[in-house]
Amino acid sequence: DGGITQSPKYLFRKEGQNVTLSCEQNLNHDAMYWYRQDPGQGLRLIYYSQIVNDFQKGDIAEGYSVSREKKESFPLTVTSAQKNPTAFYLCASSTLAANGPQHFGDGTRLSIL
Amino acid sequence: QKEVEQNSGPLSVPEGAIASLNCTYSDRVSQSFFWYRQYSGKSPELIMSIYSNGDKEDGRFTAQLNKASQYVSLLIRDSQPSDSATYLCAVNPDDMRFGAGTRLTVKP
Repeated sequence: DGGITQSPKYLFRKEGQNVTLSCEQNLNHDAMYWYRQDPGQGLRLIYYSQIVNDFQKGDIAEGYSVSREKKESFPLTVTSAQKNPTAFYLCASSTLAANGPQHFGDGTRLSIL
Repeated sequence: QKEVEQNSGPLSVPEGAIASLNCTYSDRVSQSFFWYRQYSGKSPELIMSIYSNGDKEDGRFTAQLNKASQYVSLLIRDSQPSDSATYLCAVNPDDMRFGAGTRLTVKP
């Protein structure tokens, strides 16, 4: 079945630690996205990528980094510079066709230990 | 001014009633509009897409778009308790913008 796989489902970060969230898709989508969702709030864009080896900052990129070495994969690293990382992180993908919808993975819930 | 605004809710309707969810957007060049359903603790699921003015029906769901008024709505007919969720409006002028969502509760 085609879809977007995020792992792990739950993740705990210690003070000063970097953690990496995985996102893999087999939908053959060119574009991939990372969002952060805080309780009772909408989605805020962290980073997005439309092509391998290229990505752009979204609205809240500070304290995060990404890479896009393969079309299928778009990992997100939450660095120690992100002082309030506790949130629900969602990865999405879409085609590059104009105006197409985004499809989401199941999300990773990150908490601070 | 927020780019995508939804009625803040929460919205509560009895089972079998029509639930009406509303969304306004600020960017006039927006071309595509989506409704996502998000159950508590889960990821958003696409339920409707609409691209032109008028109504689009899919089962119990009807999306309505009025570009002149910069308004898009979602009607859920014969609401069921399983429809209880947060509904996110998303608008795509050139990159996707999401509203904060409206929490719907359908009471048996």
